[in-house]
Amino acid sequence: AQSVTQLGSHVSVSEGALVLLRCNYSSSVPPYLFWYVQYPNQGLQLLLKYTSAATLVKGINGFEAEFKKSETSFHLTKPSAHMSDAAEYFCAASGSARQLTFGSGTQLTVLP
Amino acid sequence: DGGITQSPKYLFRKEGQNVTLSCEQNLNHDAMYWYRQDPGQGLRLIYYSQIVNDFQKGDIAEGYSVSREKKESFPLTVTSAQKNPTAFYLCASSSRDTISGNTIYFGEGSWLTVV
Repeated sequence: AQSVTQLGSHVSVSEGALVLLRCNYSSSVPPYLFWYVQYPNQGLQLLLKYTSAATLVKGINGFEAEFKKSETSFHLTKPSAHMSDAAEYFCAASGSARQLTFGSGTQLTVLP
Repeated sequence: DGGITQSPKYLFRKEGQNVTLSCEQNLNHDAMYWYRQDPGQGLRLIYYSQIVNDFQKGDIAEGYSVSREKKESFPLTVTSAQKNPTAFYLCASSSRDTISGNTIYFGEGSWLTVV
């Protein structure tokens, strides 16, 4: 069965600092990988998606993620955090299953 | 604008009552999904439907029921058999199932609280 692990349920960074949110997947087949963002009391919005076209994927709001097959990782980064980036972030994967498998989420806090 | 509409946003249920959460999409998507979200547990799949008049149980289907009579609608009923229904419920859809990497789009969610 496919699984997605997000390391760190809470991450705090200072405004202007690098954001790094970690995601590892386990899959017997090459997966499709997603990062979603959720603001309080709202649904999930797609940040970016990996579909094997390129290992470095650029998304909205300055975020990007790199697919590393050897490490089974798909970490999310942003060079400079903004206060508006404070939210919960979910990594998700699909492969042989007909639905997405989600990680447990990482709450990002941005300190002034 | 195209999107997924969930209603109501907030719903209170008394013990022993069934309640139904509405989900409508105008994206012309074939597949629809219901997820439950509890703090610190991420999203768990309740039911999904790949086509009208067909649906499949997800990981936590017990105490829930769905129907898919129309392509654009996928209501979720939380029955009295669901012992701990207080949660945030998210409806989602995709053009086809996710096996080919199709993106899932989400509604704004519905809060259900048992009183």
